[in-house]
Amino acid sequence: GIQVEQSPPDLILQEGANSTLRCNFSDSVNNLQWFHQNPWGQLINLFYIPSGTKQNGRLSATTVATERYSLLYISSSQTTDSGVYFCAVPSSGGYNKLIFGAGTRLAVHP
Amino acid sequence: GAGVSQSPRYKVTKRGQDVALRCDPISGHVSLYWYRQALGQGPEFLTYFNYEAQQDKSGLPNDRFSAERPEGSISTLTIQRTEQRDSAMYRCASTGAGETQYFGPGTRLLVL
Repeated sequence: GIQVEQSPPDLILQEGANSTLRCNFSDSVNNLQWFHQNPWGQLINLFYIPSGTKQNGRLSATTVATERYSLLYISSSQTTDSGVYFCAVPSSGGYNKLIFGAGTRLAVHP
Repeated sequence: GAGVSQSPRYKVTKRGQDVALRCDPISGHVSLYWYRQALGQGPEFLTYFNYEAQQDKSGLPNDRFSAERPEGSISTLTIQRTEQRDSAMYRCASTGAGETQYFGPGTRLLVL
């Protein structure tokens, strides 16, 4: 089945710094989602981004489907950005059963 | 509108007991998914419903796990004879016309 790898596994930032999180996947996909799991355990949708670039405030994401990777950019990080960031892609099979990466654990310090 | 809701949010049970976890999807969403997330890992697929039909249960670990969605809306995930290894966060997600999955807050299950 499809494999999803995220890097780095852990990231520590000072408030205000920028960062880039990466998601590689082993097969072609027709969609990709980025999620933020906050410290309370809620899994929040960030982007649905099968290809191209999207921006939402300080966050943006780019997916290059032909090269099988996606990037999540966080600019001017804030302590509320802390948590775990997951990317997920659908498995084969004709419906949207998601395969998640192991996540990037981000800690933003004041 | 309201998002996906799950209940209970936390469940502590003793080994051997049965538990039932409930998911109320976003109104009108026809697709419903259950995932399980162990500590420090990403969610893993358990089962999928399209309306009331369970179309994929390949992720259910064994026959102690079952799920239903009898009227195509609320779903229940049942774990019989719970074991300590069942302790995890159980997440439900739903999708509407698009493909974006929206997750509920999860039920954190602890089996003692």
